[in-house]
Amino acid sequence: DIQMTQSPSTLSASVGDRVTITCRASQNISIWVAWYQQKPGRAPNLLIHTASTLGSGVPSRFGGSGSGTEFTLTISSLQPDDAATYYCQQCPRYPLTFGGGTKVEVK
Amino acid sequence: EVELVESGGGLVQPGGSLRLSCAASGFTFDDFAMFWVRQAPGKGLEYVSSITFNSGFIRYADSVKGRFTISRDNAYSSLYLQMNSLSPEDTALYYCAKGTTGTPLYGMDVWGQGTTVIVSS
Repeated sequence: DIQMTQSPSTLSASVGDRVTITCRASQNISIWVAWYQQKPGRAPNLLIHTASTLGSGVPSRFGGSGSGTEFTLTISSLQPDDAATYYCQQCPRYPLTFGGGTKVEVK
Repeated sequence: EVELVESGGGLVQPGGSLRLSCAASGFTFDDFAMFWVRQAPGKGLEYVSSITFNSGFIRYADSVKGRFTISRDNAYSSLYLQMNSLSPEDTALYYCAKGTTGTPLYGMDVWGQGTTVIVSS
């Protein structure tokens, strides 16, 4: 199975900060990564697919990059509404696997 | 409006069975791959199973293989998960999710609200 390792597991940042979350795949998965945001008590929401393509209705402050085994989710200017847990997911190989999550706290 | 609504969860004893359903609306159901993803209390997301638009390609997580069966009825825009031989480790919120396309490569762009399965004596 492909392991997806996210870091950090938690982070705390202030409104307006630039935030970066990293996801490392145990095998080359080209650009086939998705990122999700999950707020407490809510279902996950697709933020990004194919490493860098924004999902429908996702604010432009979210961005994704990377290929191969290293991927990054960036929030360019953190907002209070961005408090959530973020997950990466590898999409090309079964079983599909998710990262362990990064909990983002907004100070 | 695109919507997925899960049902069928509940409390079941170890070794028991449940059948989850997911009713889809607002999109052409038979154009998309569909998924079940679960989340144990306080834990992360775990892939359970997936099925292509025409049921021609089905996959399972190793943890449920041989016990769970995914199926779909395109005529009724519905997805199902038959769960047998349940154990406490299967306790989780089960989400139904829609593939962004007909393949899993583009992630899951619509999720239901989930249905809770509790396996306990």
